[in-house]
Amino acid sequence: AAGVIQSPRHLIKEKRETATLKCYPIPRHDTVYWYQQGPGQDPQFLISFYEKMQSDKGSIPDRFSAQQFSDYHSELNMSSLELGDSALYFCASSPLGTGREAFFGQGTRLTVV
Amino acid sequence: GESVGLHLPTLSVQEGDNSIINCAYSNSASDYFIWYKQESGKGPQFIIDIRSNMDKRQGQRVTVLLNKTVKHLSLQIAATQPGDSAVYFCAEKKGNTGKLIFGQGTTLQVKP
Repeated sequence: AAGVIQSPRHLIKEKRETATLKCYPIPRHDTVYWYQQGPGQDPQFLISFYEKMQSDKGSIPDRFSAQQFSDYHSELNMSSLELGDSALYFCASSPLGTGREAFFGQGTRLTVV
Repeated sequence: GESVGLHLPTLSVQEGDNSIINCAYSNSASDYFIWYKQESGKGPQFIIDIRSNMDKRQGQRVTVLLNKTVKHLSLQIAATQPGDSAVYFCAEKKGNTGKLIFGQGTTLQVKP
């Protein structure tokens, strides 16, 4: 079965650079969530989209922005990267209209040096 | 704020024993709960879910219990296997478009 696809899997950036993370949800899933997970931490909710509109917002820095496109894929844009942004970034998607059963991708490991 | 907390950071069990992982949630308005398993370097893997109108749900070797009175959630794993070793998170949600909030994970260690 198709799963949530995230790219890239690994990314190394320097401080003050910009990064773009991509997420391709499971087909017919209309809700996308983004999470940040530091070492030994629980996933922290960043932002979510339902039917291409932002549905909820968590602890996402102003330096970050995200959007969901017409094909339901989503991108997380991160600017002015800081060392503390180094983390695993996960995307999850939920089926049409239910908001349930969020399935996660394998994540993007971002390292800021 | 909204939080979901787990009582024990690490649980060590013998292979073949049953495991019980607990979770306390704080938002009484949450109406949907999920248990996830996360192996090192991987994304959280969906295990089982339960809606607030239920108090028990069973899957293959796993059972989730929900006690809304005390806002407590538990995951029971029967006949724990070495492959069950991972970090387990509970997560709560309110409504179809609400955010999914994770609690602090519990590390399950299975001794052979």
